[in-house]
Amino acid sequence: GDSVTQMEGPVTLSEEAFLTINCTYTATGYPSLFWYVQYPGEGLQLLLKATKADDKGSNKGFEATYRKETTSFHLEKGSVQVSDSAVYFCALMRSGAGSYQLTFGKGTKLSVIP
Amino acid sequence: GAVVSQHPSRVICKSGTSVKIECRSLDFQATTMFWYRQFPKQSLMLMATSNEGSKATYEQGVEKDKFLINHASLTLSTLTVTSAHPEDSSFYICSASSGGANTETQYFGPGTRLLVL
Repeated sequence: GDSVTQMEGPVTLSEEAFLTINCTYTATGYPSLFWYVQYPGEGLQLLLKATKADDKGSNKGFEATYRKETTSFHLEKGSVQVSDSAVYFCALMRSGAGSYQLTFGKGTKLSVIP
Repeated sequence: GAVVSQHPSRVICKSGTSVKIECRSLDFQATTMFWYRQFPKQSLMLMATSNEGSKATYEQGVEKDKFLINHASLTLSTLTVTSAHPEDSSFYICSASSGGANTETQYFGPGTRLLVL
């Protein structure tokens, strides 16, 4: 079945440090890939997505590139801020008529310290 | 942006009682709603998918008679945990999709933490 594996946290970084959260997936076909972010006390929010190979999703300074050859969708940000502290979830949605179910990774907690 | 609310945010109940959790889309019509369960340090596990006006589709291993889902309107879905037991204690999260060209986008509620004593 489909699965998503992301690096275990927690990750603690100093402000303005470079962030990478690794995510790899297993799925048949050509899934769409997502990164969701969950701030404390809030629901998951879509951060970015990519729907086909070599697509780059970007938002709020975060980027991730759909790499089919390595089945990866690593999340990166060049300079993190304290406000980026949250839990980040990598997810996939397998394409197919009427199929819109998300498969999530376990989440990676990021703490950014001043 | 689209907002999804859940009520209650936290509930404690005695073993054997039933608990109802509401999921509402506040500013859009949700043709499809999803219910997830999340254990500590685990990923969200899809429990069921519901389309407005039709029966929910449950994932393998999820007891449909225990987790009753109703999606009676385009803005409300409910999850009822019947005869709850301590092993049902968990974090329950709903999401909603407006369908059509936006079907791939799900908007998530903040979750409901259930503790069964």
